[in-house]
Amino acid sequence: DVKVTQSSRYLVKRTGEKVFLECVQDMDHENMFWYRQDPGLGLRLIYFSYDVKMKEKGDIPEGYSVSREKKERFSLILESASTNQTSMYLCASSSSSGAGWETQYFGPGTRLLVL
Amino acid sequence: SQQGEEDPQALSIQEGENATMNCSYKTSINNLQWYRQNSGRGLVHLILIRSNEREKHSGRLRVTLDTSKKSSSLLITASRAADTASYFCATDKGAQKLVFGQGTRLTINP
Repeated sequence: DVKVTQSSRYLVKRTGEKVFLECVQDMDHENMFWYRQDPGLGLRLIYFSYDVKMKEKGDIPEGYSVSREKKERFSLILESASTNQTSMYLCASSSSSGAGWETQYFGPGTRLLVL
Repeated sequence: SQQGEEDPQALSIQEGENATMNCSYKTSINNLQWYRQNSGRGLVHLILIRSNEREKHSGRLRVTLDTSKKSSSLLITASRAADTASYFCATDKGAQKLVFGQGTRLTINP
């Protein structure tokens, strides 16, 4: 069964802290994505990665960075958390080929509150 | 920018009724997908329809695509309480990136 896991369901951090959100997939997928979801704005793509050590900016990369040292793990880093980064963060993965390759598989999400 | 726009933003119906949600988009697409999100959880893929297809079925789900109008609809027949969720359409932006709409919040009343 397809599985994407995220390190925390809920996280509370203080302004200025460095925050790491971890995502792991067990499907040997090449592609991984980080989104944030806010009421009225839907899902917005922050960063994505097509392969190990590769990363591409999405639509709203400012204030974020990512790391992909292993194929199964994609980390989102908030270098200095700010209150406007309070949001739901969703990780997803997808394959580059084969049946259903266009489908993205999502983790359960991390609800981050920055105080 | 969000390409898919769902309509209505919220829908409340009685159990057993059919629910229809619409999605409009702006640029040409290769495919359009629908996802479901239960409250506070991740998204789950429901169905994908390609640009050369007009209609697709999966269980109680029926999706249509009209590329001339740049619109799609998702019909859920014989709704159940478990169908209560938010539903999102997503269009491909190329390079395997998806653009999601803001979603339709569906409530099924017992």
